[in-house]
Amino acid sequence: GAGVSQSPRYKVAKRGQDVALRCDPISGHVSLFWYQQALGQGPEFLTYFQNEAQLDKSGLPSDRFFAERPEGSVSTLKIQRTQQEDSAVYLCASSFGYQTNTGELFFGEGSRLTVL
Amino acid sequence: QQPVQSPQAVILREGEDAVINCSSSKALYSVHWYRQKHGEAPVFLMILLKGGEQKGHDKISASFNEKKQQSSLYLTASQLSYSGTYFCGPDFYGQNFVFGPGTRLSVLP
Repeated sequence: GAGVSQSPRYKVAKRGQDVALRCDPISGHVSLFWYQQALGQGPEFLTYFQNEAQLDKSGLPSDRFFAERPEGSVSTLKIQRTQQEDSAVYLCASSFGYQTNTGELFFGEGSRLTVL
Repeated sequence: QQPVQSPQAVILREGEDAVINCSSSKALYSVHWYRQKHGEAPVFLMILLKGGEQKGHDKISASFNEKKQQSSLYLTASQLSYSGTYFCGPDFYGQNFVFGPGTRLSVLP
């Protein structure tokens, strides 16, 4: 596709359920980022991939959060045993360049997760 | 290492000017500016790479100081379409983007 695609756009989960959020970056983009954005806040860094390698996962808030990008293109962010504090918009962004020369980040529309 | 942005919010009338500042305690590799409208994804505005650099397009421009620790975004003759939240994204060499808290800009008719 022409842009970064995320699915689902909206997800409602009961507390304790597992969820999986998908990101399809722009074809050929090396770098892929996941961010968490709470209402009224700036995007908070979660994790970074360079191709299939997860080079930085320092922003993942707990071991309930897991991300992968097995073939260096599509990425999945998985949240296990969801909690109410996980409610947020999860943004995926991709970039053509490598970590130290990332250039413009292209963001997807985000996946809004609501945990009841 | 989240950058400091100021002001937190600003309200303008159409045609007025605004300046949004972003500062870091460490020298940056580059600095990005993004605008996010309510319910939408952040959109890239520009990137500055060199100390002392100034660049812009239309009526939105930005500067990066010589020490590469401070950047300012200039919005001149603001339009209604400029409303949104502006984020700076400092790029620390070898590390990843940590966006600033954002500056909420409201342009009124």
